[in-house]
Amino acid sequence: ETGVTQTPRHLVMGMTNKKSLKCEQHLGHNAMYWYKQSAKKPLELMFVYSLEERVENNSVPSRFSPECPNSSHLFLHLHTLQPEDSALYLCASSQEKQRISPLHFGNGTRLTVT
Amino acid sequence: QKEVEQDPGPLSVPEGAIVSLNCTYSNSAFQYFMWYRQYSRKGPELLMYTYSSGNKEDGRFTAQVDKSSKYISLFIRDSQPSDSATYLCAMNEGSYQGAQKLVFGQGTRLTINP
Repeated sequence: ETGVTQTPRHLVMGMTNKKSLKCEQHLGHNAMYWYKQSAKKPLELMFVYSLEERVENNSVPSRFSPECPNSSHLFLHLHTLQPEDSALYLCASSQEKQRISPLHFGNGTRLTVT
Repeated sequence: QKEVEQDPGPLSVPEGAIVSLNCTYSNSAFQYFMWYRQYSRKGPELLMYTYSSGNKEDGRFTAQVDKSSKYISLFIRDSQPSDSATYLCAMNEGSYQGAQKLVFGQGTRLTINP
């Protein structure tokens, strides 16, 4: 297994459900990210976990809760979502402490909230 | 004003044409400029990156940065149907500290017609 793996690929959930998205990276990186990709909008950084910092985008609602148990795994816990949260959720990783370290993305989880 | 502006297209050209994709930005501190390619149902993958102003060529692809105009371009020569994808520009100030905090354009959807 190489690269960045996200599961599930597709998720349909009701507004009262609780679910989790999972991401695993096999690149030896030490920073992991959650991005939200909506139609006709730029990629929106939601959360970053790295050696030095945990960054939250203050505009992300509390119904999204990240968890990073180690440098290879990242979760996004979802509860009481709204239909406008339907989007592609992308996980990425990079190597911190390098001036330029490209982000490596997974293929995303397509989330539909009904 | 958005920090990075990118025409979302869609852009449709015949096979073999030269394609020009562009982004403008407002933050003069940006130093690193990247182009990501995203195929349908896949995550973005890094295509090219450049530092500061100038050109960089990789096969059929040329990335160009004009910092004085805050304008970056990606040129694709001899375009192929396999180049059909969404192209995202991204940029940041570049730092050894912390994780990569890229600012993305909204992406241009490109179709190359055989």
